[in-house]
Amino acid sequence: DSGVTQTPKHLITATGQRVTLRCSPRSGDLSVYWYQQSLDQGLQFLIQYYNGEERAKGNILERFSAQQFPDLHSELNLSSLELGDSALYFCASSSFSLNSPLHFGNGTRLTVT
Amino acid sequence: DQQVKQNSPSLSVQEGRISILNCDYTNSMFDYFLWYKKYPAEGPTFLISISSIKDKNEDGRFTVFLNKSAKHLSLHIVPSQPGDSAVYFCAASARRNNNAGNMLTFGGGTRLMVKP
Repeated sequence: DSGVTQTPKHLITATGQRVTLRCSPRSGDLSVYWYQQSLDQGLQFLIQYYNGEERAKGNILERFSAQQFPDLHSELNLSSLELGDSALYFCASSSFSLNSPLHFGNGTRLTVT
Repeated sequence: DQQVKQNSPSLSVQEGRISILNCDYTNSMFDYFLWYKKYPAEGPTFLISISSIKDKNEDGRFTVFLNKSAKHLSLHIVPSQPGDSAVYFCAASARRNNNAGNMLTFGGGTRLMVKP
């Protein structure tokens, strides 16, 4: 158990809809990262937050947004969903140590029909 | 532009033999490298890491080798066990000084199958 909790585990929705994915980091971790994995491909970095502030942005679509709350949990909002958004979405957390590995949750599998 | 590449999508080895998984990178700013293992329906699990100041790091059956001049790293598993069957991802980071943590760039993964 990595200590990172993601909900829900599965999500099925229709095109054009909006969903929210939730992540609770490991106790004490201030950094939260979101990654997307499509069709057994590698993990693509979306966005990183540190103690409530956005720190880095990757290949995140404008239809997607995220935030980290004062209790350090994070939410990833996906709107105007398209079929191609179907993927596994992983959240990870880490401490602020430069050599600290990321610890991943078990992901949310999003299916857009 | 894939900055981290794992050119072998799959690898099959016999139980007890050595498994060697390879990874290449292009970004010379990367200075911290990690290997993750992923089972189906689970998130990636951290396995082992290496800093660019080293060329080898060992943890039990797992050893990571780094060749900076070739921008290449490899993971050796000896001896391989059936429970090692999983997808292995290599990842790299260009550490920053803002204490914000380590954003990782991942390779596409190699599926390892260890046959009994």
